[in-house]
Amino acid sequence: DAKTTQPNSMESNEEEPVHLPCNHSTISGTDYIHWYRQLPSQGPEYVIHGLTSNVNNRMASLAIAEDRKSSTLILHRATLRDAAVYYCILMYNQGGKLIFGQGTELSVKP
Amino acid sequence: EAQVTQNPRYLITVTGKKLTVTCSQNMNHEYMSWYRQDPGLGLRQIYYSMNVEVTDKGDVPEGYKVSRKEKRNFPLILESPSPNQTSLYFCASALAPNDVYEQYFGPGTRLTVT
Repeated sequence: DAKTTQPNSMESNEEEPVHLPCNHSTISGTDYIHWYRQLPSQGPEYVIHGLTSNVNNRMASLAIAEDRKSSTLILHRATLRDAAVYYCILMYNQGGKLIFGQGTELSVKP
Repeated sequence: EAQVTQNPRYLITVTGKKLTVTCSQNMNHEYMSWYRQDPGLGLRQIYYSMNVEVTDKGDVPEGYKVSRKEKRNFPLILESPSPNQTSLYFCASALAPNDVYEQYFGPGTRLTVT
């Protein structure tokens, strides 16, 4: 099964961009890359997903390396509310099985 | 309001006493899934269901059973709970098997097995 590797923790200042990296060197051609986040005492929340091309939505951007062995979640302007654990997840084939990475705990300083 | 509900939210039980954690969604989603979350291990998928009467194992299915008799409900059954099943459990749903990128998670059930 393809696995992901993320830094355990990162820090950011409020109002600055944040780049959260994820390595997935054993990704297969049909695996989608998903990002979720989990705020304290809550269930995970969908952020963004992609396959090969970079993706943007109202919450974040996802940059995918050309060889697909890594990706980066970009929060354009971090707010205190963005402090959470961010999970980089691979969709294992099309069967719905999600493989979670360890997650990166993002702290945002005022 | 579109939501995933879980019951109970908190449960303390003893080893070997069968229990069921219910999960229900009101969004007519086809896909549902159960996860457990443990410190240092992140979230791990237990079982998932692509549609009614269709279930499959996730990463850690041992000691758990599920059923999907109707679209809105996906109960998690622990036939003989053990202390290593003490965990925080999340249920999730998504629109369709080919559209699982946005999963909606329930509020969680904290289970303690003594």
